[in-house]
Amino acid sequence: DQQVKQNSPSLSVQEGRISILNCDYTNSMFDYFLWYKKYPAEGPTFLISISSIKDKNEDGRFTVFLNKSAKHLSLHIVPSQPGDSAVYFCAASFNTNAGKSTFGDGTTLTVKP
Amino acid sequence: DTAVSQTPKYLVTQMGNDKSIKCEQNLGHDTMYWYKQDSKKFLKIMFSYNNKELIINETVPNRFSPKSPDKAHLNLHINSLELGDSAVYFCASSSQNRDRRATQYFGPGTRLLVL
Repeated sequence: DQQVKQNSPSLSVQEGRISILNCDYTNSMFDYFLWYKKYPAEGPTFLISISSIKDKNEDGRFTVFLNKSAKHLSLHIVPSQPGDSAVYFCAASFNTNAGKSTFGDGTTLTVKP
Repeated sequence: DTAVSQTPKYLVTQMGNDKSIKCEQNLGHDTMYWYKQDSKKFLKIMFSYNNKELIINETVPNRFSPKSPDKAHLNLHINSLELGDSAVYFCASSSQNRDRRATQYFGPGTRLLVL
């Protein structure tokens, strides 16, 4: 039972345009969500997070939106840059066990120059 | 000044062998994790230690045994390796004390291939 799903295995966008990566979850008890970015041959690195008490969190070119009723979150990257090409994982966790995150299976983003 | 390091980076071995992967973090974190990323690229947590105490133990064969000699180290020992153990194993750490919403810092991964 995969509790966190990223239904698009890959996404290709043109440099300068917006990238939108989506993530759905099934457990309504999740209350903290994170996005990680992973380059080949490296470990994932933290990108941005959002608490369930918010519906939007912004950090520079990266914005995460949370729709609790739909159990859906998305990561917007604007403008997209070639260096953003990587695998993006969303993760969900519980406040009572913040260290245990459940990961989606990733979306490979390719930003074309 | 690598934050989370793993050794070895690559490991090729025969079925039935016993092997260990080491992990060290210099971030002063109190919680460490082992994840397995299989061929489907799915990151699945295996174990978590907080202050050298096991706090998460997912459904993992008992051939896998973590050991935390101190807060900065979490090693993974695998007995009787099987073909299905081939994967990338990531170590991670986080600080539960500073921020309960713990962001995890990952090592570069150990690529294990069992022949």
